[in-house]
Amino acid sequence: IAGITQAPTSQILAAGRRMTLRCTQDMRHNAMYWYRQDLGLGLRLIHYSNTAGTTGKGEVPDGYSVSRANTDDFPLTLASAVPSQTSVYFCASSETGTSGTDTQYFGPGTRLTVL
Amino acid sequence: GQNIDQPTEMTATEGAIVQINCTYQTSGFNGLFWYQQHAGEAPTFLSYNVLDGLEEKGRFSSFLSRSKGYSYLLLKELQMKDSASYLCAVADSNYQLIWGAGTKLIIKP
Repeated sequence: IAGITQAPTSQILAAGRRMTLRCTQDMRHNAMYWYRQDLGLGLRLIHYSNTAGTTGKGEVPDGYSVSRANTDDFPLTLASAVPSQTSVYFCASSETGTSGTDTQYFGPGTRLTVL
Repeated sequence: GQNIDQPTEMTATEGAIVQINCTYQTSGFNGLFWYQQHAGEAPTFLSYNVLDGLEEKGRFSSFLSRSKGYSYLLLKELQMKDSASYLCAVADSNYQLIWGAGTKLIIKP
């Protein structure tokens, strides 16, 4: 089935623990993105990648890291989780990342709670 | 700074028409998107505008005025399944999307 998958669906994590959120797409899109969505706020970009091997920082990158070893996978790592990272995390992809007409397609999200 | 404003919540009646407004101030403009997001689900693409005017797609239409920094999403013949949040997003000079907080639309029978 074409699209984006994310894992896990939800997770409760103790503060200070390390966590990797997984994201895989099978649409052969060049660009991938990680957002967090918090109540009352718009989606905020954490990190992005316009092509395999390159990554960039978004609006709220602190406390998060990403890698893009291949086209399909774009994992997001929280090195030492803090309660303010409690959020819903969405992975998205688009064809190029360098065009205004690029439509972003979203994964189902990961609901993360840090206690 | 960059800013996208849209109403927090709107209520409408099944079968009616509703207009959801979005105003924006961004560093550059490369198009405006509308997405629909049902509770607990991912956002899904509805429409894209880059030129001034109205784009119609079935029951949904989207309008853009670049000079006014303004867009609206028009939903006709409202159905209960249209109850969702509607997200406005602008592609800035770096082609990154700047998102509004979303408008929660409640449809009443």
